[in-house]
Amino acid sequence: GESVGLHLPTLSVQEGDNSIINCAYSNSASDYFIWYKQESGKGPQFIIDIRSNMDKRQGQRVTVLLNKTVKHLSLQIAATQPGDSAVYFCAEKAAGNKLTFGGGTRVLVKP
Amino acid sequence: DARVTQTPRHKVTEMGQEVTMRCQPILGHNTVFWYRQTMMQGLELLAYFRNRAPLDDSGMPKDRFSAEMPDATLATLKIQPSEPRDSAVYFCASGPSRGREGYTFGSGTRLTVV
Repeated sequence: GESVGLHLPTLSVQEGDNSIINCAYSNSASDYFIWYKQESGKGPQFIIDIRSNMDKRQGQRVTVLLNKTVKHLSLQIAATQPGDSAVYFCAEKAAGNKLTFGGGTRVLVKP
Repeated sequence: DARVTQTPRHKVTEMGQEVTMRCQPILGHNTVFWYRQTMMQGLELLAYFRNRAPLDDSGMPKDRFSAEMPDATLATLKIQPSEPRDSAVYFCASGPSRGREGYTFGSGTRLTVV
């Protein structure tokens, strides 16, 4: 696809295993965080979000964990499926709605 | 499903030409973003608007880029003159100012300047 390319960290996961994707954010004033999934040739797609007053939030097969002490965010995908193969981005929002993205992690699901 | 519509999907142009990219945000969304994505820089915020007013365009090269919202249903990003280093995928995203804040992205415009 035209989006991201050759220099991303890559996580290879066996189908059915759990995946954990990590993200370090930079702004201690950020109050809202989002995980996006981007498939080849498409725009980023919203997966799950979390506010800074929470440390965990669960969705369908996904869980986001927030550790504000070390400015760390993680996305856990349960029972990873081939359709989960994509690039995953974390994004942080500080005051003013400005959304800043991390560099992305490529997830490859092996059958 | 409501979606953000971007046109054109692909654009190849010669260096020095003007390029205009268009975005139709989701009806009712009053916050609109323009991002550029390259392999080297990832997703960079170029500009964003709320209620059609530009809030931040500090990420945009001012001498050649301009972003506008002529009305609530259209956002434009123009490059004049275009340069090969502008080759990238340009994404538009929109969202509400309150409630769910996960912004919705369009499919992007892939720009190639030769």
